[in-house]
Amino acid sequence: KAGVTQTPRYLIKTRGQQVTLSCSPISGHRSVSWYQQTPGQGLQFLFEYFSETQRNKGNFPGRFSGRQFSNSRSEMNVSTLELGDSALYLCASSLSAGGSYEQYFGPGTRLTVT
Amino acid sequence: DAKTTQPNSMESNEEEPVHLPCNHSTISGTDYIHWYRQLPSQGPEYVIHGLTSNVNNRMASLAIAEDRKSSTLILHRATLRDAAVYYCILRASTGNQFYFGTGTSLTVIP
Repeated sequence: KAGVTQTPRYLIKTRGQQVTLSCSPISGHRSVSWYQQTPGQGLQFLFEYFSETQRNKGNFPGRFSGRQFSNSRSEMNVSTLELGDSALYLCASSLSAGGSYEQYFGPGTRLTVT
Repeated sequence: DAKTTQPNSMESNEEEPVHLPCNHSTISGTDYIHWYRQLPSQGPEYVIHGLTSNVNNRMASLAIAEDRKSSTLILHRATLRDAAVYYCILRASTGNQFYFGTGTSLTVIP
């Protein structure tokens, strides 16, 4: 079974631009979560989707948004990029929502904002 | 989600057991205890999780204190490939967000 895939793996953008990252979960998984990882803040939860609905959102500005499609694939969008948005963006999928389910992470998208 | 406390770093000799502790004194009755590890330049990897009883899988064992305020991840024989940052996380039975602490950086000495 294929793991979680994320595209692109690396991205360089300029301040003020917007970016869309894509995540394909493991087949059969219906829940997708997104995380931002930086050296200073560590791993921080962005948001979680289940059955095309956003269930939870972390403490990030409205410039960060996401969505989930009927095939469980998910995208996240960051508008008006800032230098501080440079980070590794990780996507994770699980069979369903809830603490009894483990999450499987993708390799991440490394975003650099210049 | 409740917070967890872990030592910043630990060392172990290769082929010896490793006990990674985690304190979670504010855990609620429905919080699951999850452990993940992250190798350099990779996404986190699921290790094990449990609710009340001790758990074993091919990677590790999870020992949960009777009052559930602490837990210990046990790697039975450390290998060089086990060198990673290990995160202990609490997850509510509903909701899917993970809140990672700073984790424990494990160094395995050959």
